[in-house]
Amino acid sequence: LAKTTQPISMDSYEGQEVNITCSHNNIATNDYITWYQQFPSQGPRFIIQGYKTKVTNEVASLFIPADRKSSTLSLPRVSLSDTAVYYCLVGDMDQAGTALIFGKGTTLSVSS
Amino acid sequence: NAGVTQTPKFQVLKTGQSMTLQCAQDMNHEYMSWYRQDPGMGLRLIHYSVGAGITDQGEVPNGYNVSRSTTEDFPLRLLSAAPSQTSVYFCASASGRINTEAFFGQGTRLTVV
Repeated sequence: LAKTTQPISMDSYEGQEVNITCSHNNIATNDYITWYQQFPSQGPRFIIQGYKTKVTNEVASLFIPADRKSSTLSLPRVSLSDTAVYYCLVGDMDQAGTALIFGKGTTLSVSS
Repeated sequence: NAGVTQTPKFQVLKTGQSMTLQCAQDMNHEYMSWYRQDPGMGLRLIHYSVGAGITDQGEVPNGYNVSRSTTEDFPLRLLSAAPSQTSVYFCASASGRINTEAFFGQGTRLTVV
């Protein structure tokens, strides 16, 4: 399983765009990149998943360069409710959705 | 749609006691997992299952047992609780298809005294 490295914490203000970068130098050919969000006292919630280039949904965008050794989660115009811990996971397609290996994540604090 | 349901939400045990944390999902998912989360830490995988009758160990399996007799249920058993098992426990399920996402329960906060 590929090890991931992401910043421990980030601060932002409401209305700003937030970019959280995750490094995964040892990513394997079969690995997907998935981001989860966790609010206090709740279980993690899936945000977005990608394999290469760019993926966008109603919540976020995920940018993956050609070498796939890093990825960036982009949250457009954050609000106070985006304050949470964000986890970057890299895992085998065959185990997609199970046997997830979480790091410590990035704690995002959004202020007004 | 209930999703993933964990019971109980809170539990206090004495050292040496045994108990079972229940997890049920109503999405007909093949994959189910158990995680523990300690303060300031990410989730750590305890055990997981890729289908009824199939289980495997995760990162921190010692002190825990699991079984998967049905698709819906994946109970986690603590055989002899220790203070080091004080944690928040999360159960998750996933369909098992490629590009799938995991759905997590609300967690069980366990304190062992």
